[in-house]
Amino acid sequence: GESVGLHLPTLSVQEGDNSIINCAYSNSASDYFIWYKQESGKGPQFIIDIRSNMDKRQGQRVTVLLNKTVKHLSLQIAATQPGDSAVYFCAENPYTGFQKLVFGTGTRLLVSP
Amino acid sequence: DAGVTQSPTHLIKTRGQQVTLRCSPKSGHDTVSWYQQALGQGPQFIFQYYEEEERQRGNFPDRFSGHQFPNYSSELNVNALLLGDSALYLCASSPGLVNTDTQYFGPGTRLTVL
Repeated sequence: GESVGLHLPTLSVQEGDNSIINCAYSNSASDYFIWYKQESGKGPQFIIDIRSNMDKRQGQRVTVLLNKTVKHLSLQIAATQPGDSAVYFCAENPYTGFQKLVFGTGTRLLVSP
Repeated sequence: DAGVTQSPTHLIKTRGQQVTLRCSPKSGHDTVSWYQQALGQGPQFIFQYYEEEERQRGNFPDRFSGHQFPNYSSELNVNALLLGDSALYLCASSPGLVNTDTQYFGPGTRLTVL
């Protein structure tokens, strides 16, 4: 079956460090991947997405890398700030023709000042 | 530009009762999906509505039903509530059905079943 999992449930970093959050997916048919940030008591907030025809995509302070060979996705956050503290989810859509996001359990990012 | 809105924010019910949750999509979006998020877990897909019809459904029993109105807003109904239905219910909207259309989430409704 399909699954999206995360290697590290909690990641603690110092303010100003770069953070890397990893994600493994199992469905090689997935062609769309998204990273969401969820703060306590709020809904998931879209960060960045990537399609399977790309290896890398950059946003403001964030970069997503996709390695289809090993079915691995990562989110890099540059110069991490205390406001980046949240749970981060990767999600995939392995369904062509319709939308059904498959989420992992999330990684908690803790940023110390 | 208002994002996805949901109501109510919190709800407490007892076992066996029925509940209705509401969602208004982001402006310009016509597709609404509902997800259930148990504490400490990622969201799980319940179903998706487009053109007032249920288009896709996840692994949830028939106690979970929904509706989409002509203005694209949506309701999620859960009958015969169980303790295990306690969760954060999230609504997400997107501008279409294409699998690469980004889904934007609302703040959620926290349902507690006692």
